[in-house]
Amino acid sequence: QKEVEQNSGPLSVPEGAIASLNCTYSDRGSQSFFWYRQYSGKSPELIMSIYSNGDKEDGRFTAQLNKASQYVSLLIRDSQPSDSATYLCAMLTGFQKLVFGTGTRLLVSP
Amino acid sequence: GAGVSQSPSNKVTEKGKDVELRCDPISGHTALYWYRQSLGQGLEFLIYFQGNSAPDKSGLPSDRFSAERTGGSVSTLTIQRTQQEDSAVYLCASSLLLKRGQPQHFGDGTRLSIL
Repeated sequence: QKEVEQNSGPLSVPEGAIASLNCTYSDRGSQSFFWYRQYSGKSPELIMSIYSNGDKEDGRFTAQLNKASQYVSLLIRDSQPSDSATYLCAMLTGFQKLVFGTGTRLLVSP
Repeated sequence: GAGVSQSPSNKVTEKGKDVELRCDPISGHTALYWYRQSLGQGLEFLIYFQGNSAPDKSGLPSDRFSAERTGGSVSTLTIQRTQQEDSAVYLCASSLLLKRGQPQHFGDGTRLSIL
């Protein structure tokens, strides 16, 4: 069973701080990883994709991938209350099948 | 619209009835996926379409579940003889299929409640 593990949280950070979300995965052969944000009652929204070892930055978001250690992380700089949501980590297995973690709930307090 | 469209947004039905859920992908997206999300659970893969064919049906939980896609566009997920454990949000996603690992974009889902 190929799995993605995330701490369910909640992760609480004050406004303006850096939020660090982590995920580990079991499929050493997986090459593609994604972070989705899901607000309560809404559908997942793609935040970042990462395919290579190292960092990938997009605005306030940075995704980090370490294939040797089999972990993926998402950093959110200058966290805002509007960032409060559940963040889902997903890895690609097979050709196009995504396996999701259960998500980490982030709470950003004003 | 520009995004993935799903209908109905909510469906309440009695145990034992059949239901059909519809997904209209983003225009030009050749790949289409169905997932479901049960309360407190992660998203669970159900089936993947490439064009009108389904190379991966591995996630369908039982033979009561089936899906089809016609014209390389709209897809229908059918659940026969519904059970209470089928209650979940059913999410459809679509993507380009230029290469492996294309990001998948989700619709708003259908919230299915079995009484």
